[in-house]
Amino acid sequence: DAKTTQPPSMDCAEGRAANLPCNHSTISGNEYVYWYRQIHSQGPQYIIHGLKNNETNEMASLIITEDRKSSTLILPHATLRDTAVYYCIVRVATPNDMRFGAGTRLTVKP
Amino acid sequence: DTEVTQTPKHLVMGMTNKKSLKCEQHMGHRAMYWYKQKAKKPPELMFVYSYEKLSINESVPSRFSPECPNSSLLNLHLHALQPEDSALYLCASSQLDRLPSYNEQFFGPGTRLTVL
Repeated sequence: DAKTTQPPSMDCAEGRAANLPCNHSTISGNEYVYWYRQIHSQGPQYIIHGLKNNETNEMASLIITEDRKSSTLILPHATLRDTAVYYCIVRVATPNDMRFGAGTRLTVKP
Repeated sequence: DTEVTQTPKHLVMGMTNKKSLKCEQHMGHRAMYWYKQKAKKPPELMFVYSYEKLSINESVPSRFSPECPNSSLLNLHLHALQPEDSALYLCASSQLDRLPSYNEQFFGPGTRLTVL
């Protein structure tokens, strides 16, 4: 699986958009970009995934650059409940393994 | 039911004890996973079961022994642990037979283990 690089921490004001970047310059053609988050003392939670097109669901949007070497997770209107560690994971679509990087600790402030 | 349950929530054990962690899901998932998470670190994959067979063992010490007695249940048997094994142990499950682009893992809340 390709390695990912994320900033260790970010702050965001409540109600504003939170944009979390992820670099994955060694991504290969059959690897997907997945995002999970982990709120304190809970298990990780799936947010969104994509291959090459931008994706949106009820939680977030995922923007993948045309060369697929980086992506951005967007939480359009961050709330205090979005404070968590966000993990960007690049992997092939086999379901048998998923390895987490260090992630970004997002703090949403009032 | 989209829930993965784990018991117990907390466990304190001595280095000579034998204990087990339990994980259960009723979503029909055929892949189940154990992860270990130390404080302020990301989860580390330990074991993967696919169709009740062990498919991945990430070189985990033999004092951790996984078991998948049926498609809904996953156990982790613990014996002769060390204090450095104290961590949050997370269980997860996912589909195996859906489109390959969609294999979201559902995580349980974890068991917080303390080894004295």
